[in-house]
Amino acid sequence: DTGVSQDPRHKITKRGQNVTFRCDPISEHNRLYWYRQTLGQGPEFLTYFQNEAQLEKSRLLSDRFSAERPKGSFSTLEIQRTEQGDSAMYLCASSLGPGTSGFYEQYFGPGTRLTVT
Amino acid sequence: AQTVTQSQPEMSVQEAETVTLSCTYDTSESDYYLFWYKQPPSRQMILVIRQEAYKQQNATENRFSVNFQKAAKSFSLKISDSQLGDAAMYFCAYRSANTGNQFYFGTGTSLTVIP
Repeated sequence: DTGVSQDPRHKITKRGQNVTFRCDPISEHNRLYWYRQTLGQGPEFLTYFQNEAQLEKSRLLSDRFSAERPKGSFSTLEIQRTEQGDSAMYLCASSLGPGTSGFYEQYFGPGTRLTVT
Repeated sequence: AQTVTQSQPEMSVQEAETVTLSCTYDTSESDYYLFWYKQPPSRQMILVIRQEAYKQQNATENRFSVNFQKAAKSFSLKISDSQLGDAAMYFCAYRSANTGNQFYFGTGTSLTVIP
């Protein structure tokens, strides 16, 4: 399977614990995106990488959230001191594209469902 | 920030019939892209169709077509000859062509296909 993969698919954690999610994009894609999707809502943009550089961050990405993409390959999203409000589906997507112009389709992963108890 | 509105939380259609899903958006930009994504239950989101704002011609992809009304800021999706496999959540999304790579998604429309 050469699509976007995410690990784990499900995570249950207690409030206050730290969690880390991993995303493996399609290998030739230089762009990687993280989204959060809560029940009944569409995906909300969190952050975006072009290669290893984190170029955009949403206001939703509080200081408890950190994302990395070392060497421009896989990415991790860490949430520190989780809160119940962090419970959501965390989606990763990747695409081609050297710049912001032109159309580049985003390919989504299956998501990691986080439940904070 | 741009906003995308899908006013139909749920829709249903008889198999083989046609259904139209609505989407409106708010932007001050003139150059942008619009998308419809499909999210089947417990499965990955996939792109259904896209439209470049500078193109007047409505996009079509097999049984899927859009009605893009730029002045009205409307972007509806028409599904013809509906099939059981079309049942899913459908999200409308907007992306600026100039100011970054953020996609703005609507809240989605849940489509049920009745056999």
